[in-house]
Amino acid sequence: DIQMTQSPSSLSASVGDRVTITCRASQSISNYLNWYQQKPGKAPKLLIYAASSLQSGVPSRFSGSGSGTDFTLTISSLQPEDFATYYCQQSYRTLYTFGQGTKLEIK
Amino acid sequence: QITLKESGPTLVKPTQTLTLTCTFSGFSLSTSGVGVGWIRQPPGKALEWLALIYWDDDKRYSPSLKSRLTITKDTSKNQVVLTMTNMDPVDTATYYCARKQQLVRQDWFDPWGQGTLVTVSS
Repeated sequence: DIQMTQSPSSLSASVGDRVTITCRASQSISNYLNWYQQKPGKAPKLLIYAASSLQSGVPSRFSGSGSGTDFTLTISSLQPEDFATYYCQQSYRTLYTFGQGTKLEIK
Repeated sequence: QITLKESGPTLVKPTQTLTLTCTFSGFSLSTSGVGVGWIRQPPGKALEWLALIYWDDDKRYSPSLKSRLTITKDTSKNQVVLTMTNMDPVDTATYYCARKQQLVRQDWFDPWGQGTLVTVSS
């Protein structure tokens, strides 16, 4: 299995802050990396696919980068609605695996 | 508009078989490149991919659960069914179905159903 490790596990930030979440794969996955946002009691929502492509309808303050084993999700200016849990997911192998999640909380 | 909705029992007893149905609209599971997957999430924990069925009826399973899972589709009804045998309390989770979207070799899950909470308890 390809293991996905996110850091940090939780993060406190304020509205307007720039935030970066990291995801590391246990082996090279090229750019086969997706990011999801999940709010309490809701289903995950796709934000970024193929490491850096913004899903239609997702605000441009979200961006993704990386290739190989190291990836980042950046929120350029946090908005109140961005406080949620974020997951990375590799699609390099059909045995899809997710990171453990990063919970973004209000400071 | 693409929607998916999971249905099935909310409570199952240990050792029983769970059958979940994903009913979808807005896309066809006979279209090349399309798939429907199942993902679960135990309370307060991370997401875990379970199974995937492709438009051509190819199927993939999580190796750790493969012996317990079966995924099938009924294209005429726009439904995908997941069965999981020998349920255990550790299988208590919210179960989601999601469309697998593909572009060249890239793929991702979007959108997702609302999820259904399944509790395993005697």
